[in-house]
Amino acid sequence: GIQVEQSPPDLILQEGANSTLRCNFSDSVNNLQWFHQNPWGQLINLFYIPSGTKQNGRLSATTVATERYSLLYISSSQTTDSGVYFCAGGYSSASKIIFGSGTRLSIRP
Amino acid sequence: GAVVSQHPSWVICKSGTSVKIECRSLDFQATTMFWYRQFPKQSLMLMATSNEGSKATYEQGVEKDKFLINHASLTLSTLTVTSAHPEDSSFYICSAREELAGGNTQYFGPGTRLTVL
Repeated sequence: GIQVEQSPPDLILQEGANSTLRCNFSDSVNNLQWFHQNPWGQLINLFYIPSGTKQNGRLSATTVATERYSLLYISSSQTTDSGVYFCAGGYSSASKIIFGSGTRLSIRP
Repeated sequence: GAVVSQHPSWVICKSGTSVKIECRSLDFQATTMFWYRQFPKQSLMLMATSNEGSKATYEQGVEKDKFLINHASLTLSTLTVTSAHPEDSSFYICSAREELAGGNTQYFGPGTRLTVL
């Protein structure tokens, strides 16, 4: 099955800094999503991005499907960006998705 | 749109009792829902795929007789933890895919925190 590796596992930044989170897949995936889990446990959908680049405000993501990785960029970090960021992938849009181990982001004021 | 609810949000029960958790898609229909378990500071582990009108598909190592799943309608799936023990204490999260509208994204419920004494 698919294995998903995320890096870095932990990241501590000052407010206003930029960050890049990475997700590597052991196999080609046609279903790739990024999530933010807030301190109360709720997962928030950030991007559905099996390939290409998308942007939503201060967040953007790029997936290079041929090289089996995806990047999540956070610019001008705010304290509300703190939490755990997960990527997850699956073989198809109809299949189950496997989660990476997450990146725990802490933004200090 | 695309809201998924779970009930209850937290539950404390005695060892040996059964607990039922509901997962509802509020504004869309889902033939497929997923159940995950998350231990503190760990990732989400898929337990099973819930299929409307048919049996659930369990991941390897998940006891189907202990974690009963029923997907009786296009908006409701339930997970029953039978004869719960302290090691079953965890954060249980469901998700649903908005597939009937052509969507590919999974939307997640807020989770249910189960504590077994």
